[in-house]
Amino acid sequence: EPEVTQTPSHQVTQMGQEVILRCVPISNHLYFYWYRQILGQKVEFLVSFYNNEISEKSEIFDDQFSVERPDGSNFTLKIRSTKLEDSAMYFCASSLGGANTGELFFGEGSRLTVL
Amino acid sequence: QQQVKQSPQSLIVQKGGISIINCAYENTAFDYFPWYQQFPGKGPALLIAIRPDVSEKKEGRFTISFNKSAKQFSLHIMDSQPGDSATYFCAASEGPPGGGNKLTFGTGTQLKVEL
Repeated sequence: EPEVTQTPSHQVTQMGQEVILRCVPISNHLYFYWYRQILGQKVEFLVSFYNNEISEKSEIFDDQFSVERPDGSNFTLKIRSTKLEDSAMYFCASSLGGANTGELFFGEGSRLTVL
Repeated sequence: QQQVKQSPQSLIVQKGGISIINCAYENTAFDYFPWYQQFPGKGPALLIAIRPDVSEKKEGRFTISFNKSAKQFSLHIMDSQPGDSATYFCAASEGPPGGGNKLTFGTGTQLKVEL
């Protein structure tokens, strides 16, 4: 069964450092997303991406964050200068798209720890 | 107005019992209401979803009840099994989330089904 894969599974970084989280969405999917989950809290939307541009972003997704689809398979989330409060599980998701498609497929997440 | 409120925070049910999780929303523009199941170390996975044009949807042991006038919806797990032990998130979106629209998640319910 096709799945969304994410790397790394866990990254520890120092405050102020840049971090890139990588995702390989399901191959025929058209929409890509990043969500995050701070430990013990709810899952929060960060950004959606379609046709090589951001389609929607939340207030959390400020100038410190950027997304990119550098090639035909990868989808990345970059945090330029990490802060302690960026510590969270980051989930990549993808969907096929279309008016009647509701399902997002989530990866297993990348845990980011900022020290 | 974008919040989705979920209760209870945790739930312990005996094997064979009924698990009930409730959610409420304010935003009347929400028109897609999925439930996600998350096991430890895994990403959320779609369990079942409903549109506001129906009051109930059943898939196997899982049923969503939807009350549009009260802006509430709930998940019922019949004949609960230990394998159902997981965290359950309700969510809502304006338009199908698979089309790039953001999902707003509830705070999650940790369900434990005891033998």
